[in-house]
Amino acid sequence: DTAVSQTPKYLVTQMGNDKSIKCEQNLGHDTMYWYKQDSKKFLKIMFSYNNKELIINETVPNRFSPKSPDKAHLNLHINSLELGDSAVYFCASSHPGRNTEAFFGQGTRLTVV
Amino acid sequence: GNSVTQMEGPVTLSEEAFLTINCTYTATGYPSLFWYVQYPGEGLQLLLKATKADDKGSNKGFEATYRKETTSFHLEKGSVQVSDSAVYFCALSPFPGFNKFYFGSGTKLNVKP
Repeated sequence: DTAVSQTPKYLVTQMGNDKSIKCEQNLGHDTMYWYKQDSKKFLKIMFSYNNKELIINETVPNRFSPKSPDKAHLNLHINSLELGDSAVYFCASSHPGRNTEAFFGQGTRLTVV
Repeated sequence: GNSVTQMEGPVTLSEEAFLTINCTYTATGYPSLFWYVQYPGEGLQLLLKATKADDKGSNKGFEATYRKETTSFHLEKGSVQVSDSAVYFCALSPFPGFNKFYFGSGTKLNVKP
């Protein structure tokens, strides 16, 4: 059973389009995240949700809108895609009350052409 | 503030060589420390962790010791294998419930037969 699953794994789209990435975790964690990994492998947090509530928004353009319908799901919708949005997007989850690690999904490689 | 600094890569070693990847951190509290590994085309996997000073995390022959006096968490392995070729990330969580993990920039390891 996959702990944190993202779909799709690859996404190629044209500039100006709107796209969504879905994420689900079956670990029972309360906290979920979206991270962006650039071409140099640097990981930057975008959003953090705790029990469906937005906790952290790291100055991400408002073209990016996360949505958490329940604590097991955190989806990412991106409007008006730009070339600079090309990256690998990782969903992750963790239990906030313990010294536990974050569990990561396989990533979604977004390419904007 | 909170941050993680890793040695820049790539690091290229021959099989069976000794590996050290340096990691130092800055944190406002008593963080938990992690090493993650990312194999090509995959997500991040936890390699090891340490949650308090002087703890040693270990897994698959890799080790790292939480050194509060030097604010370091260096990754070591006595004898690397070709299969260890990957990108390694040092990370910290400032305290349980902080809802954010800080990552270093990643160090790419290439092991040659």
